[in-house]
Amino acid sequence: KNQVEQSPQSLIILEGKNCTLQCNYTVSPFSNLRWYKQDTGRGPVSLTIMTFSENTKSNGRYTATLDADTKQSSLHITASQLSDSASYICVVLLQSSASKIIFGSGTRLSIRP
Amino acid sequence: KAGVTQTPRYLIKTRGQQVTLSCSPISGHRSVSWYQQTPGQGLQFLFEYFSETQRNKGNFPGRFSGRQFSNSRSEMNVSTLELGDSALYLCASSVDRGDYNEQFFGPGTRLTVL
Repeated sequence: KNQVEQSPQSLIILEGKNCTLQCNYTVSPFSNLRWYKQDTGRGPVSLTIMTFSENTKSNGRYTATLDADTKQSSLHITASQLSDSASYICVVLLQSSASKIIFGSGTRLSIRP
Repeated sequence: KAGVTQTPRYLIKTRGQQVTLSCSPISGHRSVSWYQQTPGQGLQFLFEYFSETQRNKGNFPGRFSGRQFSNSRSEMNVSTLELGDSALYLCASSVDRGDYNEQFFGPGTRLTVL
């Protein structure tokens, strides 16, 4: 069964600290993996998109890694800021089509001052 | 470029009513997808439209329908509303980047069914 599992479910860290969010998937055939940030009550915003051949991609303080062999991805946030408080959703696409899309349940990140 | 816009942003309906939500994609984007997001089920795919044709459909009952106009604007309709239809409905427009389609989400319409 195609699944995307994220951990932890929620995380609280102090402002300025680093953190790493995990995403494990059992999706085949794999097309690409995306990390989205979603503020409460808003639409998701794309952070990174990685295809099979990419194993790391950065977007400012966000760095995503992908291990296609172990089917694991991580999102590392450095020097966290209060504005990083949001849900982070891992999404895997089977094909380049919106319908073949599997969403993780997200990690709720809270940054404390 | 303006982003994806959705109207209305908030909506309250009662059981049995029907509702129509609207989505305007980013200029030049021809693909529009709709998603339902609830605390219990997370994000779920509803359907995708491309050049006025439904290209893909998720596992939702026939009460959920949609359409796309020649200007790529899309509408989603839900008939005979149920309490469980309360959710954030997200629309996304996408553009082909070669290896993948890049999606841009709108702010969503928060539907509450009483």
